[in-house]
Amino acid sequence: ETGVTQTPRHLVMGMTNKKSLKCEQHLGHNAMYWYKQSAKKPLELMFVYNFKEQTENNSVPSRFSPECPNSSHLFLHLHTLQPEDSALYLCASSQEPVNNEQFFGPGTRLTVL
Amino acid sequence: TQLLEQSPQFLSIQEGENLTVYCNSSSVFSSLQWYRQEPGEGPVLLVTVVTGGEVKKLKRLTFQFGDARKDSSLHITAAQPGDTGLYLCAGGEGGAQKLVFGQGTRLTINP
Repeated sequence: ETGVTQTPRHLVMGMTNKKSLKCEQHLGHNAMYWYKQSAKKPLELMFVYNFKEQTENNSVPSRFSPECPNSSHLFLHLHTLQPEDSALYLCASSQEPVNNEQFFGPGTRLTVL
Repeated sequence: TQLLEQSPQFLSIQEGENLTVYCNSSSVFSSLQWYRQEPGEGPVLLVTVVTGGEVKKLKRLTFQFGDARKDSSLHITAAQPGDTGLYLCAGGEGGAQKLVFGQGTRLTINP
């Protein structure tokens, strides 16, 4: 148990669907992150939130829309995705500033048909 | 753009053997983390090193940060099947919160 939970664990959606990924951290951290992990590519940082404020948007297409209502919850809203968006989406949290240590959730395996 | 290169990308060895995984960059990092990721799960933090030349041990795993804080190595002694997984190194930039990840080393320990 890492203290970071993600739901759902698996998601299959069509290109016209709208879905949301949810992340919750129980560690009392003040920063949360979304990453994309694709086969044969390094982890790609998508978004960073500090105290609910977005501080990083790593040139992510607008079909991915993050939401951080409080420092414990993070959402990733998905709409009109493409098949190449299929990947493992990982949420992480950290307590800044402390050596950049990030704690990851188990991820959501997303398949776009 | 900072990059971290891990080598080898794939490694398959027999139980009981020793191995070393490398993580190299041309950039200086304020900290270096090693993670292990198992199939269907997120990465789990193993260790953080912050001082050039620092060595940390975690049971049979030995982590070293290069003197210039540009590279790191992970050495496993007497590997066991439970060590199987994807090992990721990640470099941190002080105060910037961003981690730069290597592409990973997929390690398989055969019984």
